[in-house]
Amino acid sequence: DAKTTQPNSMESNEEEPVHLPCNHSTISGTDYIHWYRQLPSQGPEYVIHGLTSNVNNRMASLAIAEDRKSSTLILHRATLRDAAVYYCILGPNAGGTSYGKLTFGQGTILTVHP
Amino acid sequence: DTGVSQDPRHKITKRGQNVTFRCDPISEHNRLYWYRQTLGQGPEFLTYFQNEAQLEKSRLLSDRFSAERPKGSFSTLEIQRTEQGDSAMYLCASSSIGTRAHEQFFGPGTRLTVL
Repeated sequence: DAKTTQPNSMESNEEEPVHLPCNHSTISGTDYIHWYRQLPSQGPEYVIHGLTSNVNNRMASLAIAEDRKSSTLILHRATLRDAAVYYCILGPNAGGTSYGKLTFGQGTILTVHP
Repeated sequence: DTGVSQDPRHKITKRGQNVTFRCDPISEHNRLYWYRQTLGQGPEFLTYFQNEAQLEKSRLLSDRFSAERPKGSFSTLEIQRTEQGDSAMYLCASSSIGTRAHEQFFGPGTRLTVL
C-alpha cells in the first residue's frame, strides 16, 4: 500500500482556518485520497475524498497538488468540535470493482484552543 | 439512517475465554468491514464482506478469529481463547456500492479488555 506522511500534531485557535498537510509521494495514478477523522471515544468519520481536482463539501476542502504527491485538508473555521485525529489515507476506487479497504496511519492530532 | 451499531460496547473477559461481538450495518449497505484499534494507533483492517461473502482477511486475523455475515445483514466477530494482546477497540464499518461507495460509516466500537 502506498504510504502517507502527516505531522504528529497541530494546534489551532477557534474560528481560524486550519491546513492539515499530507505527503504521499508514492501515490499511484488510481489511488484516491481520503480523509477521515476520529473524535475522542468515537469511531472514525468520513470527511472528504478526491482524485485529482480540489474538492469541497460542508465539512472541509481538499486541495490536491498538481503532481498528486501531496494534499491539504482545509477546515475553514475551526471549532472546538473539530479537535480530533485526522487521517489521510490512499485507497482504490471504491466506486468501481475494488472495495474500499482503508489503511490508516497514525494521523495528525488536532488541538483547537478556545 | 440509524447508523452502524455495535454490541456490546464494552467487554471484559479473562484470558482463554471466547468472546463474540455483533455489528449491525446501515440497512442498505452491501459492504461491511472489521477493524481493530489499539491505544494511540490508527485502526487496522481485519476483514471485509460483500453481502454474505467474506472476500478478504488480513494476516492479523489469526486462526482464533472468525467473522461471519450469514444473511448479508449483521455480522459477528468471534475471538476464541482470548489473549491479553487481543485487548483493543474493535470497529465495524459499512458502505454502499454506488455514489457514496467511498464513504465508510463506522460504528462506536466494542472495547475488549482481556485480563
